[in-house]
Amino acid sequence: DIQLTQSPSFLSASVGDRVTITCRASQGISSYLAWYQQKPGKAPKLLIYAASTLQSGVPSRFSGSGSGTEFTLTISSLQPEDFATYYCQQDRSFGQGTKLEIK
Amino acid sequence: QLQLQESGPGLVKPSETLSLTCTVSGGSISSSSYYWGWIRQPPGKGLEWIGSIYYSGSTYYNPSLKSRVTISVDTSKNQFSLKLSSVTAADTAVYYCASQTVRRDGYDHWGQGTLVTVSS
Repeated sequence: DIQLTQSPSFLSASVGDRVTITCRASQGISSYLAWYQQKPGKAPKLLIYAASTLQSGVPSRFSGSGSGTEFTLTISSLQPEDFATYYCQQDRSFGQGTKLEIK
Repeated sequence: QLQLQESGPGLVKPSETLSLTCTVSGGSISSSSYYWGWIRQPPGKGLEWIGSIYYSGSTYYNPSLKSRVTISVDTSKNQFSLKLSSVTAADTAVYYCASQTVRRDGYDHWGQGTLVTVSS
């Protein structure tokens, strides 16, 4: 099975900051990667699929890149509503999550 | 717009079988456009993929749970279901049903989730 490792596990940032979360796969997965945002008590929300395609309705400050084994999720200018936990997913595996907190 | 809603007991005794149903509205469970999946999240922890099913009946399970999991579809009720046998406290989690559009990765529609506690 493919293992996905996210870094960092915790991230402290301020409104307006640019932040990047990394997801590394244990073997090459082409561009088959999705990113989710989850807020407390809520279901995950799909942000990006196919590594870099923005899901309909997701703000353009979110972007994804990468292929093979290394992928990134970037938020260009953090907004208050972006503080949440982020997960990457490939097929049957999820990363362990990155909790983004307000500094 | 697809909508999914989980239902089932919130409390299950150890060694018994957990049974949940996901009711789909706004689309057909018989559509060739979607995979239907179950994902769970233990309290305070990350997401774990349980398995998924296609309208044809093809099923895909997490190898770590495969011996205990059954996912099925009821087209007459536009529902799909999860059964997890021989549960222990480690199976206590919020269980989500979700849909994935064929030829896209990622689950794009989710139910609100239901907490299932395993306790005597």
